[in-house]
Amino acid sequence: EIVLTQSPDFQSVTPKEKVTITCRASQSFGTSLHWYQQKPDQSPKLLIKYASQSFSGVPSRFSGSGSGTDFTLTIDSLEVEDAATYYCHQSSSLPQTFGQGTKLEI
Amino acid sequence: QVQLVQSGAEVKKPGASVKVSCKASGYTFTDYGINWVRQAPGQGLEWMGWVSAYDGTTKYPQSLQGRVTLTTDTSTSTAYMELRVLRSDDTAFYYCARGGLHNSGDYWGQGTLVTVSS
Repeated sequence: EIVLTQSPDFQSVTPKEKVTITCRASQSFGTSLHWYQQKPDQSPKLLIKYASQSFSGVPSRFSGSGSGTDFTLTIDSLEVEDAATYYCHQSSSLPQTFGQGTKLEI
Repeated sequence: QVQLVQSGAEVKKPGASVKVSCKASGYTFTDYGINWVRQAPGQGLEWMGWVSAYDGTTKYPQSLQGRVTLTTDTSTSTAYMELRVLRSDDTAFYYCARGGLHNSGDYWGQGTLVTVSS
């Protein structure tokens, strides 16, 4: 199975800061890589699909890039409401797998 | 608007079974599949399988093969996840998410907490 490793596991950030979260895959698989945001006591919400496509209604400060084994989620000008845990997810090969999560504390 | 509404919390004893429902609205149910994902308290996300709402085709991870069954009822636009021979480490939030077998989960249910305890 494809193992996804996110870095960092945790980051303390300040409003207006630019944040970059990386997701590295154990094997190359193209661009079937998606990013989710999960706030406490809520279900995950899709932010970015297929590495770089923004999902409907997601603020433009969220963007994604990458392909193969290295992917990045960028949050430009962080807002207080962005405090959450972020997960990457690959749907290219079965079983689908998720990264361990990156918690942003503001 | 697309909504997935899941059934309520469950408390089960070890060895029992649980069946969680996920009622879809706001779209044509048979146009999409449903993925199921679980999350133990304070832990990460684990894919539990996928079911096609079009023809009932299923895919499961090896880790749960034989213990989990995913089904759909197109007459009520509802997907179901049944997990058998429950263990304490099955205690988790269980989520349904709309999507294909090789797609993202674009809309998620609110989650159902299943607690397994003697």
